[in-house]
This record gives sequence, structure tokens and C-alpha cells, in this order.
Amino acid sequence: AQSVTQLGSHVSVSEGALVLLRCNYSSSVPPYLFWYVQYPNQGLQLLLKYTTGATLVKGINGFEAEFKKSETSFHLTKPSAHMSDAAEYFCAVSEAFGNQFYFGTGTSLTVIP
Amino acid sequence: EAGVAQSPRYKIIEKRQSVAFWCNPISGHATLYWYQQILGQGPKLLIQFQNNGVVDDSQLPKDRFSAERLKGVDSTLKIQPAKLEDSAVYLCASSLANGPWDEQFFGPGTRLTVL
Repeated sequence: AQSVTQLGSHVSVSEGALVLLRCNYSSSVPPYLFWYVQYPNQGLQLLLKYTTGATLVKGINGFEAEFKKSETSFHLTKPSAHMSDAAEYFCAVSEAFGNQFYFGTGTSLTVIP
Repeated sequence: EAGVAQSPRYKIIEKRQSVAFWCNPISGHATLYWYQQILGQGPKLLIQFQNNGVVDDSQLPKDRFSAERLKGVDSTLKIQPAKLEDSAVYLCASSLANGPWDEQFFGPGTRLTVL
């Protein structure tokens, strides 16, 4: 079974600073990769996903992530944090063959004014 | 476009009682998922439907949990009897097709507290 590791359950950044949320997966076969965001009392919303092709993926709200096969990583970044970015972020992996969808444990992002 | 609807939003029950959750997916979405999200953890897939058939229920505790998707549209998830460790948020999601690359659209969840 896959495992998805998100380093840092809580990350704090200053408004305007770089946001970096880390995600590593365990599969030796490149899976499909996703980042979801969860605002308080709301459902998860897709930020971006990697399926095939370009390894740098751009998503909504200025976020992007880069798939690095050699590092089995899919870290999420945003150049400049906004107060509205404060939320819980989940990395998720779906295997190319099979139906299972695996989520990481999440990273809570706090943006300090 | 209406999103995924879930009800109730909150439920408090005593252990050994029964509870049911309802989900109405986005119109036209063939695949429906139920997840359990325990506080401090990521969502864990319980069951996946393709239309009204079960695709994967390998992580569903079948001795107490059951789910159905009649007519391939809305779905109910039931717990009978509930245990303390069932306290969690139950998320329903749907996707247009059944590919592992498909975006899943999530409802707001039902927060269950078992006392």
C-alpha cells in the first residue's frame, strides 16, 4: 500500500513570504498526485494535480507543485503568502493501477500578518 | 452547478446506537466515495461506488458499517452499533468518471461524536 508523508503538521509563514509544504510518497511506480485544501467547516477543494507531462504543475490561487520522481516528492509552493491561504493542506496519491486514493495527514498553514 | 450535499452536518450519539449519513453527489457523477477523517489525520477511503456497484470496500469495517447507493445517485452510510472510535468527520465525494486521475469533489462532511 502507498504511504504519503507530509513533513510538518503545522507551518507558519509571514504574509508575503514563501510558502513551502512538503509531500513525499512511497510508490516506486509514479502515481497520480494531488494537493487539496480544506478551509474551516468546508469540504476539500482541489488545488492542483499531476498526471503526466510537465513536472511543474500550476494550480489555483497562485500555488504550484513540482513532481520529482528521483526524490518521490511533490512539494507545494507559493511565492507570496496571503492571509486567505490559511487552511489545512492535504497531499494525495492515486495509483496508476487500482482504485485506492491515499491522503497524507495534512499540514495546517498559518499566515502571520 | 450544485456541489456535493451531505446531511446532517453534525450528529451526537451514544455508543452502541445507530446512525446514518446521507450524500447527494454532483449530478451526472458516476463515482461516489465515502471517507472517514479522524481528527489530526487525513481522510481514509471507506468505500467507492461506480454507479450503484461497489468498486472498493476493502477498508470498510463491515461488521458495523454499511453503505448503499440505490439507483446510482444518492448514497447512505450507516454505522450500527457505533463505537467511541467512530468519532470523526465523514466525507462524501464524487467524480465524473472512475479514473485514478479524476478530480474528486467533496461535500462539507458530517461530524459524528460518539459519547
